[in-house]
Amino acid sequence: AQKVTQAQTEISVVEKEDVTLDCVYETRDTTYYLFWYKQPPSGELVFLIRRNSFDEQNEISGRYSWNFQKSTSSFNFTITASQVVDSAVYFCALILLTGSNYQLIWGAGTKLIIKP
Amino acid sequence: GAGVSQSPRYKVAKRGQDVALRCDPISGHVSLFWYQQALGQGPEFLTYFQNEAQLDKSGLPSDRFFAERPEGSVSTLKIQRTQQEDSAVYLCASSLADRRNGGANVLTFGAGSRLTVL
Repeated sequence: AQKVTQAQTEISVVEKEDVTLDCVYETRDTTYYLFWYKQPPSGELVFLIRRNSFDEQNEISGRYSWNFQKSTSSFNFTITASQVVDSAVYFCALILLTGSNYQLIWGAGTKLIIKP
Repeated sequence: GAGVSQSPRYKVAKRGQDVALRCDPISGHVSLFWYQQALGQGPEFLTYFQNEAQLDKSGLPSDRFFAERPEGSVSTLKIQRTQQEDSAVYLCASSLADRRNGGANVLTFGAGSRLTVL
């Protein structure tokens, strides 16, 4: 079964705390792509990062970092020194390209609340 | 345009009315997707266009839902005889390449059209 699980429905932290959003995926494909998108209250889904299955290198972009672990099928997202503007729903997604098939599988999202 | 534009942003319809939701993708983008997002859920795929061709409509929930992209740019999602369960945000996304060859292409989303059916 192909699936993306974001077990944390909602997380609430105080500003400046670090917070990690979990994403666990399931697939038997060896080639796949993982994404994180942010959905602020305005509604637009905003792209944050893309990873392919052959690149396990972790990435840091400012206060954002991503930890891709194929051994545990996880692609977790950490925000360091969180800010109120980080408040949003964050989605993890998996793209599979098998033969002529294309599948984009979304997690249910994690609502992140950053309190001032 | 610079981004994906959707209109109207908000639509209230009485049950049984027809509605039309418009999506203006980024100029030159080959792929266009429609998604339905219920409150507190992730996006659910509705349909996919490669230019003007509707290559995948497997996610359309019923024959009341119809989408078109006649000239390969602007797309319209039409819902006939709306029902309360159609209430959701309808998201449009576009990407530069076709989804098979550019499958890992980043999708650029519009802000969505929030439909409320009373």
